[in-house]
Amino acid sequence: GDSVTQMEGPVTLSEEAFLTINCTYTATGYPSLFWYVQYPGEGLQLLLKATKADDKGSNKGFEATYRKETTSFHLEKGSVQVSDSAVYFCALSDPTSGNTPLVFGKGTRLSVIA
Amino acid sequence: GAVVSQHPSWVICKSGTSVKIECRSLDFQATTMFWYRQFPKQSLMLMATSNEGSKATYEQGVEKDKFLINHASLTLSTLTVTSAHPEDSSFYICSARDGAGTSRYNEQFFGPGTRLTVL
Repeated sequence: GDSVTQMEGPVTLSEEAFLTINCTYTATGYPSLFWYVQYPGEGLQLLLKATKADDKGSNKGFEATYRKETTSFHLEKGSVQVSDSAVYFCALSDPTSGNTPLVFGKGTRLSVIA
Repeated sequence: GAVVSQHPSWVICKSGTSVKIECRSLDFQATTMFWYRQFPKQSLMLMATSNEGSKATYEQGVEKDKFLINHASLTLSTLTVTSAHPEDSSFYICSARDGAGTSRYNEQFFGPGTRLTVL
């Protein structure tokens, strides 16, 4: 079945450092790919998304590019802030099935220190 | 757009009582809703998938008599934890998909979560 693998962390960075969180996937079809963010004590918020090869999703300074050749969707940010401290989840969806839930990675906890 | 609310945001109850958690899609119709459970510092565990007007599909290992799910309308699903015990204490999160199929991404929108503490 479909699966998502992401670096588990925790990741600790200093403010203004460059962030990369790796995410790779396996899927039989052409999935849509997502990054969700969960701040402490809250639900998940959609951070960015991409639906096809070479699409780049971006939001709040975060970017991820759908790489079909490497089956990857790595999350990057050029300069992190303390407020980016959260857990980040990579996920995929089968766009042809409304009943099939998202497949999540295990999440990566990011701590940014001032 | 695409807002999902949950109520209550937190609840404390005595062992043996039942607790109902509501999940609403505020600005779209959700033919499919999902219920997750999350333990501290862990990923989300899918409990069940519910479709409006039909019985929920539970994941393996989830007791359907313990966790009653009702999806009576296109904007409301409820999760009732029956005869709750301390081991049921957790963070419960619902999620919904836009049933109109207007999104080519097929993404899920998440509620803010409900923290249940059973004493």
